Amino acid sequence: AQKVTQAQTEISVVEKEDVTLDCVYETRDTTYYLFWYKQPPSGELVFLIRRNSFDEQNEISGRYSWNFQKSTSSFNFTITASQVVDSAVYFCALSRMGGGNKLTFGTGTQLKVEL
Amino acid sequence: DAGVIQSPRHEVTEMGQEVTLRCKPISGHNSLFWYRQTMMRGLELLIYFNNNVPIDDSGMPEDRFSAKMPNASFSTLKIQPSEPRDSAVYFCASSIRTESSYNEQFFGPGTRLTVL
Repeated sequence: AQKVTQAQTEISVVEKEDVTLDCVYETRDTTYYLFWYKQPPSGELVFLIRRNSFDEQNEISGRYSWNFQKSTSSFNFTITASQVVDSAVYFCALSRMGGGNKLTFGTGTQLKVEL
Repeated sequence: DAGVIQSPRHEVTEMGQEVTLRCKPISGHNSLFWYRQTMMRGLELLIYFNNNVPIDDSGMPEDRFSAKMPNASFSTLKIQPSEPRDSAVYFCASSIRTESSYNEQFFGPGTRLTVL
């Protein structure tokens, strides 16, 4: 069985602060994919990143960065210099590699960025 | 390019009525997924199709729910009869899947269903 845990239900920060959203996963598969999605107040789900289990390199995209550590089964997401527009619910998700690609989502972390 | 299209965006109905949600995946995508989002259960997969064939419907709550994909550009999720506990946001997502690769799922805007 697969499971994704996002222990932080809600985080509040002041604009320009850095913030890290935690994601811990469980899977018996040796190969898998990890994802982050953003759900702004408007409700749609926006894809942010996909990472496969072979690649443990950290990734940076503008103010966003992701830290994948297979040894601790974690895939954490950091927003640098947060902005009000970053306010959203962020979901971490896990998928098997091959043989079906349904996503198992975490419960999400509500990020509030205030002025 | 058009993303995943869902209709209606909002649906309010009375208990016992039939509800049909519609989805048009992104052109060229061969996998389609139906998810449901509630406060209590979060995001959960209901069913998914590969090449129009249902692969896994283990997430469908009960026989009142049914889904079809008659062709590559259209899918429906039907609830008959609807119950208040079916109130949720229903998302459709699509992706490209091959034997050797997997790509991210793109989600539609969702249908907010309220059953009174």
